[in-house]
Amino acid sequence: SQQGEEDPQALSIQEGENATMNCSYKTSINNLQWYRQNSGRGLVHLILIRSNEREKHSGRLRVTLDTSKKSSSLLITASRAADTASYFCATGSSNTGKLIFGQGTTLQVKP
Amino acid sequence: SAVISQKPSRDICQRGTSLTIQCQVDSQVTMMFWYRQQPGQSLTLIATANQGSEATYESGFVIDKFPISRPNLTFSTLTVSNMSPEDSSIYLCSARTGGIETQYFGPGTRLLVL
Repeated sequence: SQQGEEDPQALSIQEGENATMNCSYKTSINNLQWYRQNSGRGLVHLILIRSNEREKHSGRLRVTLDTSKKSSSLLITASRAADTASYFCATGSSNTGKLIFGQGTTLQVKP
Repeated sequence: SAVISQKPSRDICQRGTSLTIQCQVDSQVTMMFWYRQQPGQSLTLIATANQGSEATYESGFVIDKFPISRPNLTFSTLTVSNMSPEDSSIYLCSARTGGIETQYFGPGTRLLVL
């Protein structure tokens, strides 16, 4: 079963704007990972944030984690047309290694 | 990081037949997993592929339908048995190395069952 929900389900913005996607989950986690998927292809790992971390940066990506609210957000700054893809959050267990995915957000960046 | 390849990349199959998907990792990994992504949906974990022993299946998935092998630390197969159109999905293999929580994914196998 899915761990939680992502919001919004779809997002359309202009190139140069920022995109924010939110992810909520239900159970305790060890880590939360964000992935990108282009047109039904394989998943590309973007960033991992551990349960004891609150914020992490990687290039134009910024991820926050609020374990008290069981939520995370992914911010993509200065978006590009190449950022057009589906973005998934996944909660992970360090022991089992299993990932439980959210429903995903489809991002369209218009040139 | 781990580089993962899958074969075949896509296939069209007739109902009632079976297809075996191969997953190869370029380095030894501790954990390997198989996921299914139905059209327009998110990913659902099918099973954890255990090296040298039976796979551990998630609720709703059974060994008779999705037999999995993992003979060594770099290779695994997933068979989709007695296929029906409802099995049309993307099947993805993933792997995780010991002590590293990041999970890497293969490019997926796109299956269409007619």
